[in-house]
Formats: sequence, structure tokens, C-alpha cells
Amino acid sequence: GAVVSQHPSRVICKSGTSVKIECRSLDFQATTMFWYRQFPKKSLMLMATSNEGSKATYEQGVEKDKFLINHASLTLSTLTVTSAHPEDSSFYICSAITGNNEKLFFGSGTQLSVL
Amino acid sequence: DAKTTQPPSMDCAEGRAANLPCNHSTISGNEYVYWYRQIHSQGPQYIIHGLKNNETNEMASLIITEDRKSSTLILPHATLRDTAVYYCIVRTRRDMRFGAGTRLTVKP
Repeated sequence: GAVVSQHPSRVICKSGTSVKIECRSLDFQATTMFWYRQFPKKSLMLMATSNEGSKATYEQGVEKDKFLINHASLTLSTLTVTSAHPEDSSFYICSAITGNNEKLFFGSGTQLSVL
Repeated sequence: DAKTTQPPSMDCAEGRAANLPCNHSTISGNEYVYWYRQIHSQGPQYIIHGLKNNETNEMASLIITEDRKSSTLILPHATLRDTAVYYCIVRTRRDMRFGAGTRLTVKP
């Protein structure tokens, strides 16, 4: 199946710093990518929908200034957690839709720990 | 606000079929049913999807009732590696939202 690469897989940072997470579709062009957040033993929570060349659409309650999403090309979307705090520690997962809009493939996730 | 209801957990004996139910009574005519699974600390893995016909692939079978208000994912010969959280999702074109899922434990 299609491959979505997410990097880094794990990051530890100090409180107040910013962290960038990359999501790439390796063998297909993704006009739409999604970003999710997951707490331990909980389900995935949709944070935002990212469309290539336009502003992301954020879910209610997700701070757009805290979680900056850029989808500059058909194969790359980035999520930047700005001025991270310990409560931002979580598992972040990206996904991308194949060209025929049928299947959603997921990255392997990024475990963010803010000290 | 997921549109599906699944049992929180199920057990299955290794080598036996695992039948995972899902209720989606408010599904609309153009909404697909998708199944994904997630093994601990990994991204979800696509399993299968369907609209109204039953579907089968190398991983599983999907049985959708005629009124489309419920479906069942069938893993024909469960192995220990099938232990995971299984998510049934009713997908709109716009996004894909996850419910709580079913934690399937395959036991030897």
C-alpha cells in the first residue's frame, strides 16, 4: 500500500521551544492530509485538515497559533508545536488521502515529550 | 463525535475467526464504512472499506447489513499479531474521525 513517512518518531524538548513534525507521502500525491493527536489508551482526535496550497482547517478547541500547519507541496505537510509546554506532550499522527480519495494512510506517529 | 458504536474489548482464540461488530445506525447513503487497526504506539493500519456490498481482501472480510446500519469485520484465522485496537469508522469525504474502537486480544 501507499507509504506515509513521519519524522521524527520521537522528540524530547524543553518547555518554551518549538518542535516541527514532518509528514510525507512517498509514492503518491496527497492534496489533503490530516493531523491527529492521541493520549495514552485513548482514541485518535482529529486536530486539523491540511489542504495543499491553502490554510488548514482546525477542529474546534484546537489553537491554530499553537499548532501551525503548513502544506506547501503535494507530498509534504508539517505540524509545528510552538512554545511547547508539558501539556502538549502527546502522540501526534499524520495521514494522507490517496488521489482517488478512497483510502487514508497513516504515518508511524511522533511521540512528543515536553520537559 | 464518532458515528459508530463498538464493544470496548473482545477476546479470540488463536487460529479461530475473530468477528468484530460495529453499529452505525445514522450512516448516510454516501458514507463509507472503513476499518483500521492500531498496534501499540504505531500509526493506524488500513484493513478494508466498503459502501454497501460485502468486501474481502487478503487481510479480512467486511460484511455490511442490507440496511447498512451495522457491519462486521471478520479476521478468518486470527494470530497473536492481530492483537490490536480495531476502529470502525464512517467516513465523510471531508474527514475521518475515530471512535473508541475495540481492543481485540488474541490468546494462544
